[in-house]
Amino acid sequence: GDSVTQTEGLVTVTEGLPVMLNCTYQTAYSDVAFFWYVQYLNEAPKLLLRSSTDNKRTEHQGFHATLHKSSSSFHLQKSSVQLSDSALYYCALMNYGSSGNKLIFGIGTLLSVKP
Amino acid sequence: EAAVTQSPRNKVTVTGGNVTLSCRQTNSHNYMYWYRQDTGHGLRLIHYSYGAGNLQIGDVPDGYKATRTTQEDFFLLLELASPSQTSLYFCASSDLDSQDTQYFGPGTRLLVL
Repeated sequence: GDSVTQTEGLVTVTEGLPVMLNCTYQTAYSDVAFFWYVQYLNEAPKLLLRSSTDNKRTEHQGFHATLHKSSSSFHLQKSSVQLSDSALYYCALMNYGSSGNKLIFGIGTLLSVKP
Repeated sequence: EAAVTQSPRNKVTVTGGNVTLSCRQTNSHNYMYWYRQDTGHGLRLIHYSYGAGNLQIGDVPDGYKATRTTQEDFFLLLELASPSQTSLYFCASSDLDSQDTQYFGPGTRLLVL
């Protein structure tokens, strides 16, 4: 079945430095889309980025991600993190072919930005 | 911005108790979802629905029932609650017109003693 892997449970970065949160996936289908959701403390998850186009960079709120089907990856990056970026980040996959419009989430990566 | 509300926001029950969690969306979305969130497991799908009267089984359905009474309302039922069901529960809605962006409610924190 489909799966999403986020290898880092916690990433700690100093304010102003770059960050990359890893996301890899497994799926046997080609009709798929990928998402990054962000969840701030005591809030609900909300969409950060979405992409379904191979090798196209998608940007929002200073974050960017590029879907690379050749390496089955959709890493999230930011060139200069801020304290307010501290949150839980989920990578997710939607398989239109078989999953019936349900998202498969990774376990999440907690980003902690320190002064 | 899409609106999803959940009630209650917090609930405490005892083992074997009967609990109903409610979710309402006013976005005219066709799809609604119930997730549980646990540290180390992320967001896991319990049940979801394509519309009123429809129910689809999610990835962790054991011990849960759900019912979609209207397009707006989706309920999660725990008929014999167990401590393993202590969790933070989120409801979400989406539609093809929104490119499947899921809009989440504020969550219900459930404690089963």
